[in-house]
Amino acid sequence: QKEVEQDPGPLSVPEGAIVSLNCTYSNSAFQYFMWYRQYSRKGPELLMYTYSSGNKEDGRFTAQVDKSSKYISLFIRDSQPSDSATYLCAMSVQAGTALIFGKGTTLSVSS
Amino acid sequence: GAVVSQHPSWVICKSGTSVKIECRSLDFQATTMFWYRQFPKQSLMLMATSNEGSKATYEQGVEKDKFLINHASLTLSTLTVTSAHPEDSSFYICSASPAWTSGSEQFFGPGTRLTVL
Repeated sequence: QKEVEQDPGPLSVPEGAIVSLNCTYSNSAFQYFMWYRQYSRKGPELLMYTYSSGNKEDGRFTAQVDKSSKYISLFIRDSQPSDSATYLCAMSVQAGTALIFGKGTTLSVSS
Repeated sequence: GAVVSQHPSWVICKSGTSVKIECRSLDFQATTMFWYRQFPKQSLMLMATSNEGSKATYEQGVEKDKFLINHASLTLSTLTVTSAHPEDSSFYICSASPAWTSGSEQFFGPGTRLTVL
């Protein structure tokens, strides 16, 4: 079993849809959870960061962490064609340590 | 957010040559930087942790004599791929955490695409 599991998709939605992206993990010691967006041939861009369990909202993006279920989610409201990218979840046990990434989910938003 | 740059953004070299990739933190100091490798349609895999003023820590299966890392200052880490071969062709990305995030948020460079002929 991999440490972090993420459905690679692809996921195709129409513009304006609500998108739900998810990751599960096996290591209960993970405390720091991040979502990155990566466009083709570019470096990952940090979207959301959450420490421990809970919700965090930033504009159209909401990140949720459920440590009891070892499950994290990213919701995108009012999706736009510019949101088309690969979304990577990442997590770490301690601050300042290397991240363990999911495989990434490829999202396509059509206008 | 913090800015991390990489140079070059892409490089093509002949088999057997060495290639140096630079990673710079532009607006913060980083005692630790991380080097990742990403193959097409795959996720990022950690190669090594680069520590300023000391030896890098390599992940299992990563040859330290092939992937030389030098963290010469608080804003610069370099990765040198020695005697590169076609199987080393990949997307190399570095990351760093500013102190103001207490190390909890990592920011990535734009990546370097290496193609070995």
